[in-house]
Amino acid sequence: DGGITQSPKYLFRKEGQNVTLSCEQNLNHDAMYWYRQDPGQGLRLIYYSQIVNDFQKGDIAEGYSVSREKKESFPLTVTSAQKNPTAFYLCASSIRPSGSGRSSEQFFGPGTRLTVL
Amino acid sequence: RKEVEQDPGPFNVPEGATVAFNCTYSNSASQSFFWYRQDCRKEPKLLMSVYSSGNEDGRFTAQLNRASQYISLLIRDSKLSDSATYLCVVNEDGTASKLTFGTGTRLQVTL
Repeated sequence: DGGITQSPKYLFRKEGQNVTLSCEQNLNHDAMYWYRQDPGQGLRLIYYSQIVNDFQKGDIAEGYSVSREKKESFPLTVTSAQKNPTAFYLCASSIRPSGSGRSSEQFFGPGTRLTVL
Repeated sequence: RKEVEQDPGPFNVPEGATVAFNCTYSNSASQSFFWYRQDCRKEPKLLMSVYSSGNEDGRFTAQLNRASQYISLLIRDSKLSDSATYLCVVNEDGTASKLTFGTGTRLQVTL
């Protein structure tokens, strides 16, 4: 079955620790995205990548880092510099936008709930 | 002004009712529009894309009004299973890579 997987589903972290969230897709999508969702707020874009070995900052990239060494994988590291990391983290993927200004539908993984203790 | 605005609800409707949600967007350059459904503590799932001509998928109908910069979602014959939060999604500044998500409208369908 094609899809997007994220692990772990729940993650607990002590303050001051870095933690890496996994995101893997077998949809052969070029583009991948990381969002965070806080209660009562819309999804906010952290980082995105349209192609292997390239990625761009989203709206709230401070305190996060990513890599895109393989098409299938886009791990997100939440560093100790992120002041309020407790949130629901969602990874998504899509086919690469066509360049016409139109966006492709994004498909989401099941998410990781990160709690900082 | 928020880029994508939705009434948070909740909309409480009985089974079988017709319910409509609107969503306004601020950037006239936006070209792509979507409705997603999100169940409690789950990931958003694509419900439908919204085309200029409007589109219908079973009990769901989506419309786009570019002049007034809003999109709508109509659900006919509501089912209990339609209870969820509906997210309005628009691409930002006509930028193909970035989508802006509304905060969602919560629907609760009751017996």
